[in-house]
Amino acid sequence: EAGVAQSPRYKIIEKRQSVAFWCNPISGHATLYWYQQILGQGPKLLIQFQNNGVVDDSQLPKDRFSAERLKGVDSTLKIQPAKLEDSAVYLCASSLARTSGSNEQFFGPGTRLTVL
Amino acid sequence: KQEVTQIPAALSVPEGENLVLNCSFTDSAIYNLQWFRQDPGKGLTSLLLIQSSQREQTSGRLNASLDKSSGRSTLYIAASQPGDSATYLCAVRSNQGGKLIFGQGTELSVKP
Repeated sequence: EAGVAQSPRYKIIEKRQSVAFWCNPISGHATLYWYQQILGQGPKLLIQFQNNGVVDDSQLPKDRFSAERLKGVDSTLKIQPAKLEDSAVYLCASSLARTSGSNEQFFGPGTRLTVL
Repeated sequence: KQEVTQIPAALSVPEGENLVLNCSFTDSAIYNLQWFRQDPGKGLTSLLLIQSSQREQTSGRLNASLDKSSGRSTLYIAASQPGDSATYLCAVRSNQGGKLIFGQGTELSVKP
């Protein structure tokens, strides 16, 4: 079974530029998460989708970050304009949306963003 | 608001030692707790998941325990090896479909 795919793996941009990240979850997984992991910290949820609807975006800086999950499969996360403090690893995860059980989350390899 | 803390932040041990990593959380109303491993430049690999009704889970040389009432979990690694060197993260989930709230991780180095 293929895992969660993310691209690009690395991105270097200058502040005020725009950047987009792509995620393809595990086939059949209805729930998709984007996390931000700043160096030395644990990941922090930015946004959670259930199919193509947003479940939780309370920690998404909406003035500069946006995300979409058209057709309930792939997702893109965009930053416009980027700031120095956006330098981090952006992790995508997915899980089945079962009504019982662990609903374990599976993580992709992440995209490492450096903002200069 | 749930907060997760991991102690120590870094740990260095000689090969072959048994070791314990600690995780504490402030709100005992959790759905489950998960331990992850993260290698440099890589994503997260799930090691063990403990449901709120369970006390422990084991996989090979790893054993994770959960004490909900005291808000604590431990990850025990037996007979450590240099290949165990990585950052270990614990995370709690408050409800079935909800987000994971992570600790800051423990960076483990096992010296040959």
